[in-house]
Amino acid sequence: DTEVTQTPKHLVMGMTNKKSLKCEQHMGHRAMYWYKQKAKKPPELMFVYSYEKLSINESVPSRFSPECPNSSLLNLHLHALQPEDSALYLCASSQERGLPEAFFGQGTRLTVV
Amino acid sequence: DQQVKQNSPSLSVQEGRISILNCDYTNSMFDYFLWYKKYPAEGPTFLISISSIKDKNEDGRFTVFLNKSAKHLSLHIVPSQPGDSAVYFCAARKSSGDKLTFGTGTRLAVRP
Repeated sequence: DTEVTQTPKHLVMGMTNKKSLKCEQHMGHRAMYWYKQKAKKPPELMFVYSYEKLSINESVPSRFSPECPNSSLLNLHLHALQPEDSALYLCASSQERGLPEAFFGQGTRLTVV
Repeated sequence: DQQVKQNSPSLSVQEGRISILNCDYTNSMFDYFLWYKKYPAEGPTFLISISSIKDKNEDGRFTVFLNKSAKHLSLHIVPSQPGDSAVYFCAARKSSGDKLTFGTGTRLAVRP
């Protein structure tokens, strides 16, 4: 199994809603990442987890809250988002932190209305 | 401040010919470079990488060349196939870092 699975594929939420994005991998990878990609822009790193501990937060607003319940799962909790947060959210994993060859999921297309 | 640049937003190539995708970077702290391919509605897929201690890495039809003095890398696909049609992202990493800095991508179309 060389897949990173993200759910849901699409999400529309209001600015007062609370929702969560989920990411799962069963490759035994110990590093997991959240990226954000706006239209016609490159992916930008948001968070890095290594061995289930948050190791990097790229100055992401607190309305985005990551969580790594175990080595296979990564969540991104969303609350009080703004329309400008609408983007493709990509999850990725790699064998270890520091190994750059990452496997990406297909992403969650988020629209904030 | 775009530290990794792909100046050609699109490229069209005949099937069987060579595709050359280019990438320039500005940060001399980058020491590892990768190419990812992305189909519509899918996440990026890792293609090939190169360390700054090398100037070439080859994997089947894909070869990446690195020119450190020019801060330039390129991806060669030979021969190009219609299934190679996708958006190609160049990415770079600083030594001992985790963050991949991506270029804006080049859309490759391989004509049958």
